[in-house]
Amino acid sequence: EAGVAQSPRYKIIEKRQSVAFWCNPISGHATLYWYQQILGQGPKLLIQFQNNGVVDDSQLPKDRFSAERLKGVDSTLKIQPAKLEDSAVYLCASSFLGTSGTGNEQFFGPGTRLTVL
Amino acid sequence: AQSVSQHNHHVILSEAASLELGCNYSYGGTVNLFWYVQYPGQHLQLLLKYFSGDPLVKGIKGFEAEFIKSKFSFNLRKPSVQWSDTAEYFCAVLTSGTYKYIFGTGTRLKVLA
Repeated sequence: EAGVAQSPRYKIIEKRQSVAFWCNPISGHATLYWYQQILGQGPKLLIQFQNNGVVDDSQLPKDRFSAERLKGVDSTLKIQPAKLEDSAVYLCASSFLGTSGTGNEQFFGPGTRLTVL
Repeated sequence: AQSVSQHNHHVILSEAASLELGCNYSYGGTVNLFWYVQYPGQHLQLLLKYFSGDPLVKGIKGFEAEFIKSKFSFNLRKPSVQWSDTAEYFCAVLTSGTYKYIFGTGTRLKVLA
């Protein structure tokens, strides 16, 4: 079974530039998550999709971050314009279900390490 | 606000020592509980999970965790650690109703050979 794919793996940009990350979840997984992980901290949920609908984006800084999940499969996360404090690892994860019970464990991609100079 | 606390940020043990990593959460409703592990250079992956039934859960590589509802805790244990257990360990909670995943800040474990 193929895992969660993410690209690029590394990205270095200057502040005020824009950047986009791509995620391809495990086939058949309805729920997709984007996390921001700052060095020394745990993953912080940015946005959660159920198929192609947004379930939770309460912690997404909507003035600069946007995300979409077209056709309920791949997803992109965009930052425009980037700030220094956006330097972090951006993780994508998917799960078969997003609700309680079996099938809600998350499978993570390798992450994209973003450095904003 | 809902939160997950991991009290030990860095733990250093010798091989064969016993391990217990603390995890407490603040949420009054039904939860699913997880421990994820990130080995050096690898993805985050599931170590074990509790969602109902026996509060003592066994996971991969000899790890286990016990859900104590009255203490809002889900501590991770291993009787005898190995050098290969060197990794970062994250406790996570999935809350009922909103189905929101909340991660702790992680514990970095280093096992000395």
